[in-house]
Amino acid sequence: NAGVTQTPKFQVLKTGQSMTLQCAQDMNHEYMSWYRQDPGMGLRLIHYSVGAGITDQGEVPNGYNVSRSTTEDFPLRLLSAAPSQTSVYFCASSRRPGGQPQHFGDGTRLSIL
Amino acid sequence: GQQLNQSPQSMFIQEGEDVSMNCTSSSIFNTWLWYKQEPGEGPVLLIALYKAGELTSNGRLTAQFGITRKDSFLNISASIPSDVGIYFCAPSGGTSYGKLTFGQGTILTVHP
Repeated sequence: NAGVTQTPKFQVLKTGQSMTLQCAQDMNHEYMSWYRQDPGMGLRLIHYSVGAGITDQGEVPNGYNVSRSTTEDFPLRLLSAAPSQTSVYFCASSRRPGGQPQHFGDGTRLSIL
Repeated sequence: GQQLNQSPQSMFIQEGEDVSMNCTSSSIFNTWLWYKQEPGEGPVLLIALYKAGELTSNGRLTAQFGITRKDSFLNISASIPSDVGIYFCAPSGGTSYGKLTFGQGTILTVHP
């Protein structure tokens, strides 16, 4: 059972570089989301998707883009990395929105120098 | 916007002690979820509450959905070293349909 798979697990970038964090789920879940976790602030929602072709902004969307071309994949793009984006990023999925428990990946630890 | 407060921020307890943590909000929710996160891993669901007043147990864990729908608590009885981690409440529903809002987390340390 793979569940939610995130790659890479660790990444170091220089300011201004771009990269894509990958997220894939094999549970045929409609709802997927991206969070960032910073010390003392819990998890904050960046972007989410209620199904293929549909995305929307969360609490902290600036500096990030997403797309949902398939049910399985939900990549998160940093177009021009900034030190403020140093964080741990989690992808999650659930069968549908509306309070259904979300399944989380193990996270991507991203450092921006 | 809605405010979600989780307390305490951290707890240092002896093995065998009981633990209690809670979350309060300025908004009404339809669902309260409780997650645990261990170092280097993503959050894992512990208990899900879907009805105001609901009291649910999962082994040594007990959680309740407040009758006002604005709060919830999680209790851990007879703590053991493997209970160490960060515990998060995550309500959903109401005006935030489709989105989970996470509390700041309670860091639990258990001394053997």
